[in-house]
Amino acid sequence: DAGITQSPRHKVTETGTPVTLRCHQTENHRYMYWYRQDPGHGLRLIHYSYGVKDTDKGEVSDGYSVSRSKTEDFLLTLESATSSQTSVYFCAISVGPYEQYFGPGTRLTVT
Amino acid sequence: DAKTTQPPSMDCAEGRAANLPCNHSTISGNEYVYWYRQIHSQGPQYIIHGLKNNETNEMASLIITEDRKSSTLILPHATLRDTAVYYCIVRVATTNFGNEKLTFGTGTRLTIIP
Repeated sequence: DAGITQSPRHKVTETGTPVTLRCHQTENHRYMYWYRQDPGHGLRLIHYSYGVKDTDKGEVSDGYSVSRSKTEDFLLTLESATSSQTSVYFCAISVGPYEQYFGPGTRLTVT
Repeated sequence: DAKTTQPPSMDCAEGRAANLPCNHSTISGNEYVYWYRQIHSQGPQYIIHGLKNNETNEMASLIITEDRKSSTLILPHATLRDTAVYYCIVRVATTNFGNEKLTFGTGTRLTIIP
């Protein structure tokens, strides 16, 4: 077990409010990722990180920012949440050259 | 990255082999085939990957055609716990260790029938 947790696991928030989701790993892996999952779209990459303070955009990065000040934590921030950001958010880490290990997910509802 | 095509859904009887096809006709020579699955609302789980040779691990077997344009994931003795969405992904394995930005499609929903 790669030891990855996400918090919160569920959140309901109002349009326009800021939201931060946290991904925490316990094994010092270098690469971390944020995906979102919506019906009919599979999983789509939002942002990823290749080290402390080193991040880059994925295919659906608009409206999201990330930060990684420590190896173990990768934060995803919605500066001003919109209803289109209602989704399930998964964090993942690379645990080897070919395998990503995914967290349990955060279900976010923006009303 | 090469695009993949999978059937949207399949059924398989419990105890039988489940064979999940994937078409990746535009695959390049340096692209690997990966399989992940997602059980209910959990995070995706890595199953297996391969380049051109057939591969087997404790979970499944991966058969890649000689021209590499298609592959089949085989679950040899399917159980009810194998009911999940299965994703076939084609991706270049970069020289940067672990730098795998995976692109997931909509996958195949496999239902194991008791």
